[in-house]
Amino acid sequence: DQQVKQNSPSLSVQEGRISILNCDYTNSMFDYFLWYKKYPAEGPTFLISISSIKDKNEDGRFTVFLNKSAKHLSLHIVPSQPGDSAVYFCAADLSGGSNYKLTFGKGTLLTVNP
Amino acid sequence: EADIYQTPRYLVIGTGKKITLECSQTMGHDKMYWYQQDPGMELHLIHYSYGVNSTEKGDLSSESTVSRIRTEHFPLTLESARPSHTSQYLCASSERGSFETQYFGPGTRLLVL
Repeated sequence: DQQVKQNSPSLSVQEGRISILNCDYTNSMFDYFLWYKKYPAEGPTFLISISSIKDKNEDGRFTVFLNKSAKHLSLHIVPSQPGDSAVYFCAADLSGGSNYKLTFGKGTLLTVNP
Repeated sequence: EADIYQTPRYLVIGTGKKITLECSQTMGHDKMYWYQQDPGMELHLIHYSYGVNSTEKGDLSSESTVSRIRTEHFPLTLESARPSHTSQYLCASSERGSFETQYFGPGTRLLVL
């Protein structure tokens, strides 16, 4: 029973356009959400996070939106660059983000075409 | 930028061998974690530690064991490797507090023949 779902296994966009990666969750107790980027044969790299008291967090080209009522978050990358091509994982945490673990989705493979 | 290291990066080994995957962090983080990940799948937590002499099993059952004798070091050991252990093993650490971010090492890709 997956508590964090990334329903799109892959996404392809053109360089310079917007990439939107989606994530849904089922556990209403999750209150901290993170996005990680992962290249093959490397460890995940932290990108951006958001706590449940906010609905938007921005860092450069990356913006995360949280819709608590819909239990949905999304990562926007604008403009997309070929170097953004990677697998993106959504993760969620409990208890003010101080729980012992993160619950991950299965990831979305983003391909940015030149 | 997080400073967390894993060795070896790649390991090919025969069935029945004992292996230890090393993980070290220089950030003084209290919490450390081991995840297992297969292609196209989510990361699964197999072990975690809140600090020295603290180790707990994660959600995914694993035949591996861990130890935490020093804050910066969290090795994972498989006493007898099997082909079913073939996977990528990811170590992470975080600082104790609210809204913690886990920082990951580069991973060890293990192939057991």
